[in-house]
Amino acid sequence: KNEVEQSPQNLTAQEGEFITINCSYSVGISALHWLQQHPGGGIVSLFMLSSGKKKHGRLIATINIQEKHSSLHITASHPRDSAVYICAVGNYGGSQGNLIFGKGTKLSVKP
Amino acid sequence: EPEVTQTPSHQVTQMGQEVILRCVPISNHLYFYWYRQILGQKVEFLVSFYNNEISEKSEIFDDQFSVERPDGSNFTLKIRSTKLEDSAMYFCASILLLGQGLYEQYFGPGTRLTVT
Repeated sequence: KNEVEQSPQNLTAQEGEFITINCSYSVGISALHWLQQHPGGGIVSLFMLSSGKKKHGRLIATINIQEKHSSLHITASHPRDSAVYICAVGNYGGSQGNLIFGKGTKLSVKP
Repeated sequence: EPEVTQTPSHQVTQMGQEVILRCVPISNHLYFYWYRQILGQKVEFLVSFYNNEISEKSEIFDDQFSVERPDGSNFTLKIRSTKLEDSAMYFCASILLLGQGLYEQYFGPGTRLTVT
């Protein structure tokens, strides 16, 4: 069974700082997802990656398949980025959406 | 922007009662999912549903759980006889396939189930 580990568990940053959240997994995957969970509980899908790098606005996600590791970067962080960021992976052979989730990284960006 | 909706937002029920959680996925999506998140814990996959049948389910999804798409728009999760440990946030999601193994997943806002 795949184990998904995220670090750090909690992260406090000052507005404008560059932020990195890491995710590692134990078994080869079909894809990796980065999700954002708002304080009210709602979940938004940020990225789905199977290789390389993706960028959307101030968010960048990278994945290294050989090292079984992914990072989520936030450039020029802002208080509205405060949320829990969750890494989730899909195993080979599993259906889309059958994901194993990490515990999340709680990010707090101070003004 | 299209969205997945869920009702109710909060459901309180007594142990042993049946509950039905409702979801309306995005209209042109074909794959549907339920997840749960016990307070303070990880999100967990429950079940995937395609073409009017379960395509995959987790160990959590035992005989007490069932899913249905009764009318082509709603997607429901039923818990037959609720237990205290069923208290959690339940998220519905649907997927739009993009091809080449990629997809976009949309989550509903969740239903908080409290079993007393």
